[in-house]
Amino acid sequence: DAMVIQNPRYQVTQFGKPVTLSCSQTLNHNVMYWYQQKSSQAPKLLFHYYDKDFNNEADTPDNFQSRRPNTSFCFLDIRSPGLGDAAMYLCATSRDHQAGEQYFGPGTRLTVT
Amino acid sequence: AQTVTQSQPEMSVQEAETVTLSCTYDTSENNYYLFWYKQPPSRQMILVIRQEAYKQQNATENRFSVNFQKAAKSFSLKISDSQLGDTAMYFCAFMKRRNSGGSNYKLTFGKGTLLTVNP
Repeated sequence: DAMVIQNPRYQVTQFGKPVTLSCSQTLNHNVMYWYQQKSSQAPKLLFHYYDKDFNNEADTPDNFQSRRPNTSFCFLDIRSPGLGDAAMYLCATSRDHQAGEQYFGPGTRLTVT
Repeated sequence: AQTVTQSQPEMSVQEAETVTLSCTYDTSENNYYLFWYKQPPSRQMILVIRQEAYKQQNATENRFSVNFQKAAKSFSLKISDSQLGDTAMYFCAFMKRRNSGGSNYKLTFGKGTLLTVNP
């Protein structure tokens, strides 16, 4: 019973070539998050959507964008990937009034060549 | 800004024994939540246990329990009867309500503790 699904699980892209990662959820949660997790580090929040409202973290580079066309889907676009963008990208969701629990997807590991 | 510190990058324990993972945090907030998340190798992150700051009673979930010391800003995780499947990275996380309205919550994670359970 997959709840937060991320595709693909592994993505290889070339330096400077745009790439899109996708996330879908079957939980009907209002909030969807994108985290970047580099090797042996804590996840770092990039941005999140509360319904259709986009909330960007202050230190998220402009190179990272997101789209949420409907409740179920959310996309992470990296316009010009650099070598430093190689990481695991985690999608998570949470309900409106649920006290804090976030449900994570399995992640997409991005390699930049 | 909130910070979460996990001072033990790695720990190991023998199967069936008990282990405690430490976590401290810094905040000026009074109302917040604390979490322990588990991230097994190549698998997704899942919630282990949650503590609400206004509750004095320590949270427990089967073999997992916490020692929440609000004044000391400490939130340790005890795993009893450790099992091989407990091998994972464990993240302590803090959440306060954002000021931007709605129910937007932001998790602040510690750097994690890699726990290995040995047979």
